[in-house]
Amino acid sequence: ELKVEQNPLFLSMQEGKNYTIYCNYSTTSDRLYWYRQDPGKSLESLFVLLSNGAVKQEGRLMASLDTKARLSTLHITAAVHDLSATYFCAVRETSGSRLTFGEGTQLTVNP
Amino acid sequence: SAVISQKPSRDICQRGTSLTIQCQVDSQVTMMFWYRQQPGQSLTLIATANQGSEATYESGFVIDKFPISRPNLTFSTLTVSNMSPEDSSIYLCSAQWGYTQYFGPGTRLTVL
Repeated sequence: ELKVEQNPLFLSMQEGKNYTIYCNYSTTSDRLYWYRQDPGKSLESLFVLLSNGAVKQEGRLMASLDTKARLSTLHITAAVHDLSATYFCAVRETSGSRLTFGEGTQLTVNP
Repeated sequence: SAVISQKPSRDICQRGTSLTIQCQVDSQVTMMFWYRQQPGQSLTLIATANQGSEATYESGFVIDKFPISRPNLTFSTLTVSNMSPEDSSIYLCSAQWGYTQYFGPGTRLTVL
């Protein structure tokens, strides 16, 4: 059974600081997703990572994938308050179509 | 991209009743998915719904409790049957479009 673990689960940071969220998974995967969820809202797709070494950036967020280590990172650069949300990684097993989600990282950026 | 809508957006229901949630996608998609998100938790896949075949349920979810229909390539329904307070959750519809899996706005269900 595929397991997906995120850490940290809670992150409080100051504006302007950098930080990284980690996503580890337990079996081979051909696709890894990062989503953002604001309170009371649905999930917004941030990144889809398809291959080893893939790196994608959008604004202050950068995601990378190391399939050999079964690890993805979401790096936050110079955080701003608007980034406060819960971030989920989700992994699709190579053999199937279902996504398995991590527990989510609740990010709070303080002024 | 795919735009997904759900109805109702929220409901408060009595124990023992059933609720059907509708999901509409603005593009034809092969695979649609139903997820549950309990308060403060992550998402759990209930089932995968392909047009023209029976839905595939994940461990812990059964067709009698969560019957699903998929009559065409843009529409699906999920019914939550014989509800109990433990069914209070957000139910999200999702569809695969290209490499991305998109999510609907969710249906917030409260069972009294």
